[in-house]
Amino acid sequence: KAGVTQTPRYLIKTRGQQVTLSCSPISGHRSVSWYQQTPGQGLQFLFEYFSETQRNKGNFPGRFSGRQFSNSRSEMNVSTLELGDSALYLCASSLGAGRAASGSNYNEQFFGPGTRLTVL
Amino acid sequence: AQSVTQLDSHVSVSEGTPVLLRCNYSSSYSPSLFWYVQHPNKGLQLLLKYTSAATLVKGINGFEAEFKKSETSFHLTKPSAHMSDAAEYFCVVIPFNNAGNMLTFGGGTRLMVKP
Repeated sequence: KAGVTQTPRYLIKTRGQQVTLSCSPISGHRSVSWYQQTPGQGLQFLFEYFSETQRNKGNFPGRFSGRQFSNSRSEMNVSTLELGDSALYLCASSLGAGRAASGSNYNEQFFGPGTRLTVL
Repeated sequence: AQSVTQLDSHVSVSEGTPVLLRCNYSSSYSPSLFWYVQHPNKGLQLLLKYTSAATLVKGINGFEAEFKKSETSFHLTKPSAHMSDAAEYFCVVIPFNNAGNMLTFGGGTRLMVKP
């Protein structure tokens, strides 16, 4: 079974531009979550999509947005890029049905290798 | 709000010696706690999970963690370190009232293993 794939793996943009990152979940997984990883702030939750609906949202400005398609693939978009947006963006997929953390029903999240975004 | 604090940003051990990575949590409810590992240039991998069953949890690659409610701790241990264990480790919590998959990460502990 193929794992979570993210494209592109590396990206260089300049301030003010916008960027779209893509995530293809494991086949059969309906939940896709996005995380930002930086040396200063660590790993922070961006948002989660389940069956094309945003189920959770982290504390990020409106410049960060996402969506999920009917085949569960997800994209995230960052508009008006700032230098501080330079980060590793990780995508995770899971079966995601119901309350994920309940007892043995935790749906393990499988992470992709990430997209390294550099903003100049 | 539920959170986790990793007490050491860096831990260095010699190959063959025990590993201890410390994590404290803050939560008003019984939390769901996890340890993830991130090897260089690779994605995160789940090591083990605590979801209110047994307090001693065994994970992959010989790691285990013990949930101690009285100490609000969830430390990760391994009896004997291997060179391949060198990586960054994250203690993670899912908020009790969260219906989805929102993981809250600790700051991470970089484990170095000396030959």
